[in-house]
Amino acid sequence: QVQLVQSGAEMKKPGASVKVSCKASGYSFSGYYLRWVRQAPGQGLEWMGWINPNSGNTNYAQKFQGRVTMTRDTTTDTAYMELSGLTSDDTALYYCARAGVRGLLKSPLDYWGQGTLVTVSS
Amino acid sequence: QSALTQPRSVSGSPGQSVTISCTGFNTVAAGDMYVSWYQQHPGKAPTLMIYDVDKRPSGVPDRFSGSKSGNTASLTISGLQADDEADYHCSSYAGTYELVFGGGTKLTVL
Repeated sequence: QVQLVQSGAEMKKPGASVKVSCKASGYSFSGYYLRWVRQAPGQGLEWMGWINPNSGNTNYAQKFQGRVTMTRDTTTDTAYMELSGLTSDDTALYYCARAGVRGLLKSPLDYWGQGTLVTVSS
Repeated sequence: QSALTQPRSVSGSPGQSVTISCTGFNTVAAGDMYVSWYQQHPGKAPTLMIYDVDKRPSGVPDRFSGSKSGNTASLTISGLQADDEADYHCSSYAGTYELVFGGGTKLTVL
């Protein structure tokens, strides 16, 4: 069955970077786009960017450009999201999610990781 | 501030129907047919309930339905059940790449 398993919770100090992993299983990792979405405590969902695991191509939300880097490792079927220059406003749950139609970026997010809590505090 | 606007909360009694609105499609370009709805129980990841305005993934009960008219998309849940109590998020696209979400609506089953 399709699964996206994310890395564990992180606690970081302001100014630091965090790298969250998302390991895919149960489907062809290279065939489906992955999006990263975050959710601050008590808030709604916020799209951060996407990666094409086949080509490595990425696109980031304007808000995060210059601070976020999305990569993948096709040998381990794992995607990564690294966010730098952390502030308390970056405290949130970070999710990876699969765009559910093979090769189609504009497709609904049919499988989600369990979320990774990133806490930024001095 | 979200590009799409949802009510903060709605409520209904078991067996009743509720509708959650999502407005702002006049400012979200190229998103006419790409409306999705996600259910999120506390402490859990979102789950896809509706996509392409009115389509249900397999396994989603037909009590859940979606529609869109003009500037507003809607999610209707009929025959409310206790387990429907959750947050609901609408989403669509702005332009070629950008995914946008509403602010989320908390559904309370009275």
